[in-house]
Amino acid sequence: KNQVEQSPQSLIILEGKNCTLQCNYTVSPFSNLRWYKQDTGRGPVSLTIMTFSENTKSNGRYTATLDADTKQSSLHITASQLSDSASYICVVADRGSTLGRLYFGRGTQLTVWP
Amino acid sequence: EADIYQTPRYLVIGTGKKITLECSQTMGHDKMYWYQQDPGMELHLIHYSYGVNSTEKGDLSSESTVSRIRTEHFPLTLESARPSHTSQYLCASSELHQKTDTQYFGPGTRLTVL
Repeated sequence: KNQVEQSPQSLIILEGKNCTLQCNYTVSPFSNLRWYKQDTGRGPVSLTIMTFSENTKSNGRYTATLDADTKQSSLHITASQLSDSASYICVVADRGSTLGRLYFGRGTQLTVWP
Repeated sequence: EADIYQTPRYLVIGTGKKITLECSQTMGHDKMYWYQQDPGMELHLIHYSYGVNSTEKGDLSSESTVSRIRTEHFPLTLESARPSHTSQYLCASSELHQKTDTQYFGPGTRLTVL
């Protein structure tokens, strides 16, 4: 069964600190992995997309890594800010269909305290 | 900020009412999607469309229906709302010809059926 598991479920850190969120998946055949940020009451916003051949991608203070062999990804947030408080969702696409079926994790709820 | 809009943002209605959730995008995207998301849970695809006059059911069974008469417009209709339909509904769009296409999400409609 294709699944995407994220950990931790929730995380609280102090402003200015770094943190790393984890994503494990069993989706096959793999096409790409995406990280989204979802603010409370809003739609998700794309942070990064990585294909099989990419093992790291950055977007400002966000750096995503991908190990397609172990089927693991991480999202590292550097020098956290209060505005980073949100749910971070890992999404994996398969390549078994034209649509590119997406499998969503439940997200990690990050809270940044001042 | 993605050019995809949803109305209403919040809706509270009584059981048995017919409702239509609106979604429109100005990016000229061919693909459009409807997702359902409950608090703390993953997004579930309920409908999608490849373009005008194309509609398909997603992975999660839904009593709602959709139509795609114009490229920019993808409304979702519930003929008779029930409390079990209470959820957040997210609309998204993407380009047709790329498997690594980024899905741009609207802000969502929070539906409560009493």
